[in-house]
Amino acid sequence: GENVEQHPSTLSVQEGDSAVIKCTYSDSASNYFPWYKQELGKRPQLIIDIRSNVGEKKDQRIAVTLNKTAKHFSLHITETQPEDSAVYFCAAKAAGNKLTFGGGTRVLVKP
Amino acid sequence: AAGVIQSPRHLIKEKRETATLKCYPIPRHDTVYWYQQGPGQDPQFLISFYEKMQSDKGSIPDRFSAQQFSDYHSELNMSSLELGDSALYFCASSSGTNTEAFFGQGTRLTVV
Repeated sequence: GENVEQHPSTLSVQEGDSAVIKCTYSDSASNYFPWYKQELGKRPQLIIDIRSNVGEKKDQRIAVTLNKTAKHFSLHITETQPEDSAVYFCAAKAAGNKLTFGGGTRVLVKP
Repeated sequence: AAGVIQSPRHLIKEKRETATLKCYPIPRHDTVYWYQQGPGQDPQFLISFYEKMQSDKGSIPDRFSAQQFSDYHSELNMSSLELGDSALYFCASSSGTNTEAFFGQGTRLTVV
Protein backbone atom coordinates (compact mmCIF):
# COMPACT_ATOMS: atom_id res chain seq x y z
CA GLY A 1 0.00 0.00 0.00
CA GLU A 2 0.86 3.66 -0.13
CA ASN A 3 3.30 5.10 2.39
CA VAL A 4 3.69 8.86 2.82
CA GLU A 5 6.61 10.40 4.70
CA GLN A 6 6.47 14.04 5.79
CA HIS A 7 9.25 16.34 7.03
CA PRO A 8 9.87 18.19 9.23
CA SER A 9 7.60 17.15 12.08
CA THR A 10 7.82 20.63 13.60
CA LEU A 11 8.68 23.95 12.02
CA SER A 12 9.10 27.28 13.74
CA VAL A 13 9.36 30.40 11.58
CA GLN A 14 9.36 34.12 12.13
CA GLU A 15 6.33 36.01 10.90
CA GLY A 16 6.91 37.08 7.31
CA ASP A 17 9.36 34.28 6.54
CA SER A 18 8.61 31.31 4.30
CA ALA A 19 7.80 27.78 5.40
CA VAL A 20 8.46 24.65 3.35
CA ILE A 21 7.13 21.17 4.09
CA LYS A 22 8.23 18.14 2.09
CA CYS A 23 6.58 14.79 1.47
CA THR A 24 7.53 11.62 -0.33
CA TYR A 25 5.24 8.82 -1.41
CA SER A 26 5.81 5.23 -2.44
CA ASP A 27 2.99 4.23 -4.80
CA SER A 28 3.71 5.32 -8.36
CA ALA A 29 -0.01 4.94 -9.11
CA SER A 30 -0.85 7.87 -6.81
CA ASN A 31 -2.03 10.81 -8.85
CA TYR A 32 -3.78 13.15 -6.44
CA PHE A 33 -1.94 15.06 -3.70
CA PRO A 34 -3.92 17.29 -1.34
CA TRP A 35 -2.66 19.32 1.59
CA TYR A 36 -4.75 19.80 4.70
CA LYS A 37 -4.49 22.31 7.54
CA GLN A 38 -5.75 21.21 10.93
CA GLU A 39 -6.20 23.37 13.97
CA LEU A 40 -6.34 21.79 17.41
CA GLY A 41 -9.45 19.67 17.85
CA LYS A 42 -10.87 20.67 14.48
CA ARG A 43 -11.35 18.93 11.18
CA PRO A 44 -8.65 18.82 8.49
CA GLN A 45 -9.36 21.56 5.95
CA LEU A 46 -8.20 21.26 2.35
CA ILE A 47 -5.94 24.20 1.49
CA ILE A 48 -4.54 23.21 -1.88
CA ASP A 49 -4.19 20.12 -4.03
CA ILE A 50 -2.31 19.05 -7.12
CA ARG A 51 -2.77 16.30 -9.65
CA SER A 52 -0.07 14.31 -11.38
CA ASN A 53 -0.45 16.06 -14.70
CA VAL A 54 0.65 19.35 -13.12
CA GLY A 55 4.08 20.25 -11.74
CA GLU A 56 3.19 23.33 -9.75
CA LYS A 57 0.12 25.12 -8.45
CA LYS A 58 -0.20 28.39 -6.61
CA ASP A 59 -2.98 30.03 -4.63
CA GLN A 60 -2.07 33.40 -3.13
CA ARG A 61 0.55 32.73 -0.44
CA ILE A 62 0.62 28.96 -0.80
CA ALA A 63 2.08 26.85 -3.55
CA VAL A 64 2.64 23.18 -4.11
CA THR A 65 5.19 21.49 -6.34
CA LEU A 66 5.20 17.89 -7.51
CA ASN A 67 8.05 15.78 -8.86
CA LYS A 68 6.51 12.52 -10.06
CA THR A 69 9.83 11.02 -11.09
CA ALA A 70 11.26 11.45 -7.61
CA LYS A 71 7.89 10.81 -5.94
CA HIS A 72 7.98 13.91 -3.81
CA PHE A 73 5.87 17.00 -3.39
CA SER A 74 6.23 20.12 -1.30
CA LEU A 75 4.13 22.87 0.25
CA HIS A 76 5.45 26.42 0.28
CA ILE A 77 3.90 29.14 2.41
CA THR A 78 5.24 32.65 1.85
CA GLU A 79 4.88 35.72 4.06
CA THR A 80 3.74 33.60 6.97
CA GLN A 81 1.27 35.02 9.46
CA PRO A 82 0.40 33.93 13.02
CA GLU A 83 -2.88 32.47 11.74
CA ASP A 84 -0.87 30.04 9.62
CA SER A 85 0.10 28.27 12.85
CA ALA A 86 -1.47 24.78 12.70
CA VAL A 87 -0.68 21.19 11.82
CA TYR A 88 -0.32 20.56 8.10
CA PHE A 89 -0.82 17.15 6.53
CA CYS A 90 0.14 16.04 3.07
CA ALA A 91 -1.69 13.10 1.52
CA ALA A 92 -1.52 10.92 -1.55
CA LYS A 93 -4.21 8.99 -3.37
CA ALA A 94 -4.49 6.71 -6.35
CA ALA A 95 -7.80 6.50 -8.21
CA GLY A 96 -10.27 4.41 -6.26
CA ASN A 97 -7.97 4.15 -3.26
CA LYS A 98 -8.00 5.68 0.16
CA LEU A 99 -6.31 8.95 1.07
CA THR A 100 -3.05 8.19 2.89
CA PHE A 101 -1.73 10.92 5.15
CA GLY A 102 1.79 11.91 6.06
CA GLY A 103 2.69 12.22 9.74
CA GLY A 104 1.96 15.94 9.90
CA THR A 105 4.04 19.08 10.46
CA ARG A 106 3.33 21.36 13.38
CA VAL A 107 3.99 24.90 12.16
CA LEU A 108 4.46 27.72 14.62
CA VAL A 109 4.67 31.27 13.30
CA LYS A 110 6.24 33.58 15.85
CA PRO A 111 5.09 37.22 15.82
CA ALA B 1 -23.16 24.93 1.12
CA ALA B 2 -23.96 21.70 2.89
CA GLY B 3 -21.01 20.02 4.55
CA VAL B 4 -20.33 16.58 5.97
CA ILE B 5 -22.38 16.11 9.13
CA GLN B 6 -21.27 13.82 11.92
CA SER B 7 -23.15 12.88 15.04
CA PRO B 8 -22.75 12.90 17.88
CA ARG B 9 -19.98 15.49 18.30
CA HIS B 10 -18.94 14.09 21.65
CA LEU B 11 -19.47 10.67 23.16
CA ILE B 12 -18.41 9.21 26.47
CA LYS B 13 -18.62 5.47 26.91
CA GLU B 14 -17.38 2.95 29.44
CA LYS B 15 -15.08 0.08 28.64
CA ARG B 16 -16.80 -2.86 26.97
CA GLU B 17 -19.75 -0.72 25.88
CA THR B 18 -20.77 -0.16 22.26
CA ALA B 19 -20.93 3.06 20.28
CA THR B 20 -22.44 4.07 16.96
CA LEU B 21 -21.11 7.05 15.03
CA LYS B 22 -23.07 8.51 12.16
CA CYS B 23 -21.96 10.36 9.06
CA TYR B 24 -24.06 12.22 6.52
CA PRO B 25 -22.00 13.00 3.40
CA ILE B 26 -22.34 16.03 1.21
CA PRO B 27 -25.35 15.53 -1.12
CA ARG B 28 -24.45 13.66 -4.33
CA HIS B 29 -21.13 12.50 -2.91
CA ASP B 30 -20.80 8.77 -3.53
CA THR B 31 -17.70 7.97 -1.47
CA VAL B 32 -17.38 7.97 2.31
CA TYR B 33 -14.19 7.49 4.32
CA TRP B 34 -13.75 6.90 8.05
CA TYR B 35 -10.57 7.95 9.85
CA GLN B 36 -9.39 7.65 13.45
CA GLN B 37 -7.08 10.31 14.86
CA GLY B 38 -5.38 9.89 18.21
CA PRO B 39 -3.84 12.86 20.08
CA GLY B 40 -0.89 14.23 18.13
CA GLN B 41 -1.31 11.60 15.43
CA ASP B 42 -2.14 11.75 11.75
CA PRO B 43 -5.55 10.46 10.67
CA GLN B 44 -5.50 6.69 10.28
CA PHE B 45 -7.71 5.20 7.60
CA LEU B 46 -10.32 2.74 8.83
CA ILE B 47 -12.69 1.95 5.99
CA SER B 48 -14.34 3.46 2.92
CA PHE B 49 -17.46 2.97 0.86
CA TYR B 50 -18.20 3.74 -2.76
CA GLU B 51 -21.82 3.61 -3.89
CA LYS B 52 -22.81 1.78 -0.71
CA MET B 53 -20.25 -0.98 -1.18
CA GLN B 54 -17.11 -1.31 0.91
CA SER B 55 -14.28 -0.14 -1.29
CA ASP B 56 -11.23 -0.30 0.95
CA LYS B 57 -10.30 -1.40 4.43
CA GLY B 58 -7.50 -0.14 6.60
CA SER B 59 -6.46 -0.71 10.17
CA ILE B 60 -9.98 -1.26 11.46
CA PRO B 61 -10.25 -3.63 14.44
CA ASP B 62 -12.54 -6.63 14.12
CA ARG B 63 -14.61 -5.08 16.95
CA PHE B 64 -15.58 -2.30 14.55
CA SER B 65 -17.93 -2.54 11.61
CA ALA B 66 -19.40 -0.03 9.24
CA GLN B 67 -21.91 0.25 6.49
CA GLN B 68 -23.34 2.75 4.07
CA PHE B 69 -27.08 2.93 3.69
CA SER B 70 -29.35 3.55 0.69
CA ASP B 71 -29.47 7.28 1.50
CA TYR B 72 -25.62 7.30 1.48
CA HIS B 73 -25.26 8.01 5.17
CA SER B 74 -22.78 5.77 6.94
CA GLU B 75 -22.50 4.39 10.43
CA LEU B 76 -19.45 3.14 12.29
CA ASN B 77 -20.30 0.59 14.95
CA MET B 78 -17.79 -0.02 17.70
CA SER B 79 -18.18 -2.82 20.22
CA SER B 80 -16.27 -3.97 23.30
CA LEU B 81 -14.78 -0.50 23.59
CA GLU B 82 -11.27 -0.19 24.98
CA LEU B 83 -9.49 2.79 26.52
CA GLY B 84 -7.29 2.95 23.42
CA ASP B 85 -10.32 3.61 21.23
CA SER B 86 -10.50 7.12 22.66
CA ALA B 87 -9.86 9.38 19.68
CA LEU B 88 -11.35 11.77 17.19
CA TYR B 89 -13.26 9.93 14.49
CA PHE B 90 -13.61 11.75 11.20
CA CYS B 91 -15.82 10.97 8.29
CA ALA B 92 -15.03 12.44 4.88
CA SER B 93 -16.88 12.33 1.60
CA SER B 94 -15.99 12.90 -2.01
CA SER B 95 -17.64 12.83 -5.39
CA GLY B 96 -15.96 10.17 -7.47
CA THR B 97 -12.84 8.35 -6.48
CA ASN B 98 -10.19 10.91 -7.24
CA THR B 99 -11.48 14.23 -6.11
CA GLU B 100 -11.03 16.25 -2.96
CA ALA B 101 -12.32 14.75 0.28
CA PHE B 102 -14.21 17.01 2.66
CA PHE B 103 -14.11 16.20 6.32
CA GLY B 104 -16.86 16.39 8.90
CA GLN B 105 -16.27 18.06 12.24
CA GLY B 106 -15.54 14.72 13.85
CA THR B 107 -16.82 12.78 16.82
CA ARG B 108 -14.68 12.87 19.93
CA LEU B 109 -15.03 9.49 21.61
CA THR B 110 -13.82 9.12 25.17
CA VAL B 111 -13.76 5.66 26.70
CA VAL B 112 -13.52 5.61 30.48
